[in-house]
Amino acid sequence: DAMVIQNPRYQVTQFGKPVTLSCSQTLNHNVMYWYQQKSSQAPKLLFHYYDKDFNNEADTPDNFQSRRPNTSFCFLDIRSPGLGDAAMYLCATSRTRDRGYEQYFGPGTRLTVT
Amino acid sequence: GESVGLHLPTLSVQEGDNSIINCAYSNSASDYFIWYKQESGKGPQFIIDIRSNMDKRQGQRVTVLLNKTVKHLSLQIAATQPGDSAVYFCAENRVGTTDSWGKLQFGAGTQVVVTP
Repeated sequence: DAMVIQNPRYQVTQFGKPVTLSCSQTLNHNVMYWYQQKSSQAPKLLFHYYDKDFNNEADTPDNFQSRRPNTSFCFLDIRSPGLGDAAMYLCATSRTRDRGYEQYFGPGTRLTVT
Repeated sequence: GESVGLHLPTLSVQEGDNSIINCAYSNSASDYFIWYKQESGKGPQFIIDIRSNMDKRQGQRVTVLLNKTVKHLSLQIAATQPGDSAVYFCAENRVGTTDSWGKLQFGAGTQVVVTP
């Protein structure tokens, strides 16, 4: 089945230690998104790639970076995780960036910062 | 500011009853709305969507109603089952702002608890 895959599902990192989360998709979608979701809150968009074009949200901290080496893969790098970065990180894809196209979400990576 | 919000943070429903989850939005120019279901520890799952040129859309056991006059969206789940227990988010595509592309603006979410 075509899908969005996130690895690992659970990640524990130490305060200040860089961490990378990965996302892959078999949908061949042009757009890939990264969301941060804290407990009992709605997903918050961090940034997205439209093909190779990176689009950062204005309020996304510099501590968060992303890479998309090819259509299928996208990575979220947290350069120096703080305790406040503990959250669920969701990857999503959509066929285009136009309005009216569904976003397909992966299962998420739960990040714990110790 | 403009937002999509839900009226009730928690909805308790008896198994077999119908559920109604409400959502208010403030951007009258928004033209696409989605309901997502998120089970504990999982990513949001698409349930149903509706465009602004419609006022009702039905899926399997679910119906979405859109009232543009009062800027209100609702999700109805028929014969609620234990597997329907989850957080439900409404989301909109904003129009007429710098976010006029397909960026989703999520509401706060409603926790639905199905009791036997």
